Amino acid sequence: GDSVTQMEGPVTLSEEAFLTINCTYTATGYPSLFWYVQYPGEGLQLLLKATKADDKGSNKGFEATYRKETTSFHLEKGSVQVSDSAVYFCALSGSTGGFKTIFGAGTRLFVKA
Amino acid sequence: NAGVTQTPKFQVLKTGQSMTLQCAQDMNHNSMYWYRQDPGMGLRLIYYSASEGTTDKGEVPNGYNVSRLNKREFSLRLESAAPSQTSVYFCASSLGQGAIETQYFGPGTRLLVL
Repeated sequence: GDSVTQMEGPVTLSEEAFLTINCTYTATGYPSLFWYVQYPGEGLQLLLKATKADDKGSNKGFEATYRKETTSFHLEKGSVQVSDSAVYFCALSGSTGGFKTIFGAGTRLFVKA
Repeated sequence: NAGVTQTPKFQVLKTGQSMTLQCAQDMNHNSMYWYRQDPGMGLRLIYYSASEGTTDKGEVPNGYNVSRLNKREFSLRLESAAPSQTSVYFCASSLGQGAIETQYFGPGTRLLVL
């Protein structure tokens, strides 16, 4: 079945460091790919998404490119801030024409001042 | 605009007790979902409602029931709580059910079953 695999956390970085959180997926068909972020004590919220191969999603300085050849959707940010500390979830939807969203296990990010 | 609201925020139950988790959205969304979040496992879909008047099982429906009361409200009921149901429960909604739809999440209900 469909699945999403994320790098295990926690990831600890200093402010202004470069961030990469790896995400790979297994799916039949052509899913849409998402990154959601969960700040402490809150629900998930959409960070960015891409709906077809080679699309790049971007928001708040974060970027991810839909790579069909490597089945990956890695999240990157050039310079993290303390306020980026959160849990990041990679997800896919619509793999076989269905709508259900499959979430990865989440990666916790700590950014130190 | 409140978005998705959930009540209660936190609940402690004894094994065998029952309770209902409430969820409401004010975005005129058609589809609503209940997930549970457990450490290291991401979110797993319990039940969903594609539209008012319909409900379907997700990945982990055992021990739960749901009611889509109207377009705004979608409740989750635990008839006889078990320690394995200790988790954080999230309600979400989306405008439709296409693959590109964004889901909007509530703040969660933290449930502890003793």
